[in-house]
Amino acid sequence: DAKTTQPPSMDCAEGRAANLPCNHSTISGNEYVYWYRQIHSQGPQYIIHGLKNNETNEMASLIITEDRKSSTLILPHATLRDTAVYYCIVRVVGSGGYQKVTFGTGTKLQVIP
Amino acid sequence: DSGVTQTPKHLITATGQRVTLRCSPRSGDLSVYWYQQSLDQGLQFLIQYYNGEERAKGNILERFSAQQFPDLHSELNLSSLELGDSALYFCASSASGLGNQPQHFGDGTRLSIL
Repeated sequence: DAKTTQPPSMDCAEGRAANLPCNHSTISGNEYVYWYRQIHSQGPQYIIHGLKNNETNEMASLIITEDRKSSTLILPHATLRDTAVYYCIVRVVGSGGYQKVTFGTGTKLQVIP
Repeated sequence: DSGVTQTPKHLITATGQRVTLRCSPRSGDLSVYWYQQSLDQGLQFLIQYYNGEERAKGNILERFSAQQFPDLHSELNLSSLELGDSALYFCASSASGLGNQPQHFGDGTRLSIL
């Protein structure tokens, strides 16, 4: 699986949009981009994933650049409960999909009142 | 609630001992993953099973072993425990184990080695 690069930390004001970037410049055409978050020491929580197109669900939006080398997770109205470490990972799809999963160090998002 | 159940939640033991961590995947999920997270560290992938068979291996120590049973629950066995094995151990499950489906994580087992 390709490696990802994320800023170590970010701050966001409560109620504002949080935009978390991720660089995955070596991504292959058959790799999905996934976002997870981990609040304190709880189990990581799945947020969203996508291949090429932008995606939106009840939690967030995922914007993937046309060349697929980077993506942005958008939390539209951040709350204090969104304070967490956010992980961006990529995973290959298809017969070669059984490969080890690599989580980086993530971005520690602090939502400020 | 992710639907993934891990037991026990906490485990305290001594060096040299052996422990077994248990994971029940979400209903319908065939693949199980194990991760280790040491204090202030990221998630380290250990191993993945799909429908009872090992599918991918990460940096899992030889002292550690895992298996997935016919009822799809999985166990992670840790032996000859060392102080450095103290960590959170997470289990995750997904429907097929391929990269186009998300993993859902349990709440983890906190292992403390004294």
